Amino acid sequence: EAQVTQNPRYLITVTGKKLTVTCSQNMNHEYMSWYRQDPGLGLRQIYYSMNVEVTDKGDVPEGYKVSRKEKRNFPLILESPSPNQTSLYFCASSSQDRGRGYTFGSGTRLTVV
Amino acid sequence: AQSVSQHNHHVILSEAASLELGCNYSYGGTVNLFWYVQYPGQHLQLLLKYFSGDPLVKGIKGFEAEFIKSKFSFNLRKPSVQWSDTAEYFCAVTPNSGYSTLTFGKGTMLLVSP
Repeated sequence: EAQVTQNPRYLITVTGKKLTVTCSQNMNHEYMSWYRQDPGLGLRQIYYSMNVEVTDKGDVPEGYKVSRKEKRNFPLILESPSPNQTSLYFCASSSQDRGRGYTFGSGTRLTVV
Repeated sequence: AQSVSQHNHHVILSEAASLELGCNYSYGGTVNLFWYVQYPGQHLQLLLKYFSGDPLVKGIKGFEAEFIKSKFSFNLRKPSVQWSDTAEYFCAVTPNSGYSTLTFGKGTMLLVSP
């Protein structure tokens, strides 16, 4: 089944403790992105990647890092999480034919206390 | 950079009522347009998309949308809503060339009462 898999689904952590949210897709998509969803703000892009070793900042990159060492994986790293990063995070992927739309993962609900 | 504006943050309808959710985008070139739906507690699912051809696009679950280029609009419609359509709906746009952000509107929460 074609899908984007995120882990974990739920995470509660403390301020300053480094964490990684994993994202993996099995569709051989070139493009991958991370979004955060907050009430009243919709989805905002954090980082995106056009292909292996090619990443760039989205609209709200502060406090996040990403890497794209393999085509299928695009982990999101929070080096020193803060409470304002409490949010619902989605990973998405797309082929070069973006008219097909993006496929989204199931989301990771992160709470930083 | 592109932007998307969704007209209503919340819409409340009774079952069988007709639905139209407004979406306007801002971008000077050719675009791809999408509507996504997010049911409570779930991830985003693609409802329909437009990238070329017939401006009237039909999607899943009886939804359709019409691209009006002169108005920069891509409104979502459904003739008769059901209780199961209760969800949040997001309009999104991306330029049709190169790679750029898939930009979302802030969403419209639809509540359908039985």
